Amino acid sequence: ETGVTQSPTHLIKTRGQQVTLRCSSQSGHNTVSWYQQALGQGPQFIFQYYREEENGRGNFPPRFSGLQFPNYSSELNVNALELDDSALYLCASSDDRGLGYTFGSGTRLTVV
Amino acid sequence: DQQVKQNSPSLSVQEGRISILNCDYTNSMFDYFLWYKKYPAEGPTFLISISSIKDKNEDGRFTVFLNKSAKHLSLHIVPSQPGDSAVYFCAASLGNQFYFGTGTSLTVIP
Repeated sequence: ETGVTQSPTHLIKTRGQQVTLRCSSQSGHNTVSWYQQALGQGPQFIFQYYREEENGRGNFPPRFSGLQFPNYSSELNVNALELDDSALYLCASSDDRGLGYTFGSGTRLTVV
Repeated sequence: DQQVKQNSPSLSVQEGRISILNCDYTNSMFDYFLWYKKYPAEGPTFLISISSIKDKNEDGRFTVFLNKSAKHLSLHIVPSQPGDSAVYFCAASLGNQFYFGTGTSLTVIP
């Protein structure tokens, strides 16, 4: 399978709810990273997983958590949603060389 | 704390001319620099990268220049084509983490 796919493409949630975003990486890509892109900003690094273990985290609170599965899929979970969590969430995968990430098209999350 | 900055939010260039996109960074420990292109409703697409030990990398119409003393990175597109119209992000990596600029929207006018 080629390319990185994310689901859903759009999502509306209420403040305080929980959300799970999904990403399917390219076959053979053991590294997946998640980014939050607010309007008018560049992507901000949330965390990275390598072979199902978290191996890097940006400046995001613990209510942002993730999982990576052996079948090259991964999840981003956000608890206790806040209005400021409204953003485009991107996942990117790469092989063990680590560079030239392939990005998915993102999930647009709106918290109301 | 924005460690990677793109101070020009937009740029317009005539088709066939050179496009120059600029990027500044603050952390001298960054070891790799990359440029991504993003079309609306799509994720960023990797364009070109440069190691911190080099000062130039060229790939077809795209050339990236790195000036470490000035902590400055630039992307040159020659000749510019209408299909190059997109938002361009520069990014810098430090270990596992990538830091992105806020993007420059390039419009190439036919």
